[in-house]
Amino acid sequence: QTVVTQEPSFSVSPGGTVTLTCGLSSGSVSTSYYPSWYQQTPGQAPRTLIYSTNTRSSGVPDRFSGSILGNKAALTITGAQADDECDYYCVLYMGNGIYVFGTGTKVTVL
Amino acid sequence: EVQLLESGGGLVQPGGSLRLSCAASGFTFSTYAMNWVRQAPGKGLEWVSGISGSGGDTSYADSVKGRFTVSRDNSKNTLYLQLNSLRAEDTAVYYCARDAGFRPNLGPDYWGQGTLVTVSS
Repeated sequence: QTVVTQEPSFSVSPGGTVTLTCGLSSGSVSTSYYPSWYQQTPGQAPRTLIYSTNTRSSGVPDRFSGSILGNKAALTITGAQADDECDYYCVLYMGNGIYVFGTGTKVTVL
Repeated sequence: EVQLLESGGGLVQPGGSLRLSCAASGFTFSTYAMNWVRQAPGKGLEWVSGISGSGGDTSYADSVKGRFTVSRDNSKNTLYLQLNSLRAEDTAVYYCARDAGFRPNLGPDYWGQGTLVTVSS
């Protein structure tokens, strides 16, 4: 069974930069997996940040960017703000109409 | 403005059934694939099912295959999820999410607010 891995937690200073990654338990992530990234605060619906590797969703500031770094998908947050403190999820397309979400990363801004 | 509004959640006994609906507006519904994603209490997101814009192609997570059925009525701009043989582990908030493509592949881009399904005796 395919597992999509993310760092359990990350800490960043206000104004700093953090890069979250999204990998596979076996194999490398490429653009063919159309990696997407979501932000979620407790009790709220997810908010789409990036889809199809690096396409920013409507209204998302350009301090959020998506890419492929090595064998993983990556979400980079530059100029971190207090309200960036929440959970972040990636999802990968596995083919045949099937997606698998990552395990999620809790980001703390302090 | 894209809007997705789920309904149909509630309390159901193990083994029971439920049908969720998702009313869509603000975009040409038939040209986008749609997905259902769920989140159990205190847990992460889990993709459940997807359907192409035409409704001709469907896909399911292994955890729900054979028990859940996704469908859509493009004349009513509505997505459905029929949940049968429900188990306690199906307890979750169920989100409707539009895909960025005609087929599920580019990733969910817009989300509803979710509807809670609780499976308990």
